[in-house]
Amino acid sequence: DAGVIQSPRHEVTEMGQEVTLRCKPISGHDYLFWYRQTMMRGLELLIYFNNNVPIDDSGMPEDRFSAKMPNASFSTLKIQPSEPRDSAVYFCASSPHPLGGSDFGAGTRLSVL
Amino acid sequence: AQSVTQPDIHITVSEGASLELRCNYSYGATPYLFWYVQSPGQGLQLLLKYFSGDTLVQGIKGFEAEFKRSQSSFNLRKPSVHWSDAAEYFCAVGPKGGSEKLVFGKGTKLTVNP
Repeated sequence: DAGVIQSPRHEVTEMGQEVTLRCKPISGHDYLFWYRQTMMRGLELLIYFNNNVPIDDSGMPEDRFSAKMPNASFSTLKIQPSEPRDSAVYFCASSPHPLGGSDFGAGTRLSVL
Repeated sequence: AQSVTQPDIHITVSEGASLELRCNYSYGATPYLFWYVQSPGQGLQLLLKYFSGDTLVQGIKGFEAEFKRSQSSFNLRKPSVHWSDAAEYFCAVGPKGGSEKLVFGKGTKLTVNP
């Protein structure tokens, strides 16, 4: 198993541009999570899905952020328009059930200039 | 609201020395407890988890953690540290009986001296 795959690994963009982060979870994992990691706030849960359905998006910072999971093997996190304060490392994680820890991807380091 | 405190931001130990990383949580009931490790430029890797039962939990890479209800703690230990253990360590809590909405501590960075 290749684990959770995220792309791109690094993204540099200018303020106002649209950014799309991608995630392929581990096959068979019904739960998918998007986290953001910053020095100031640590690791924060943005949104999670169960069987492709968004369950809790209370961590999404504002309407500029959106996430989709069109099928069991793919999810996107979109920021439109991006701002410098969105600069962070974004992690995707998947889990086979709600009681277990998650498998994390290597993350996408986003820099918004 | 549940919270996790890792009191030590940075710890330095010598290779071969023992290690204990502290984690305290605040929650209305006994939650699920986790320890993760993050190497530079990498995602988080699950070291071990506690759900119920034996309060001493064994994990990967020779790590163990002990749940102490009276102290609301879940400290991570390793008897002999290797240079490859240098990384950042995160404690996390999740609510029982509900969805897996983990709350993470701010992390403890471990430096290992040769």
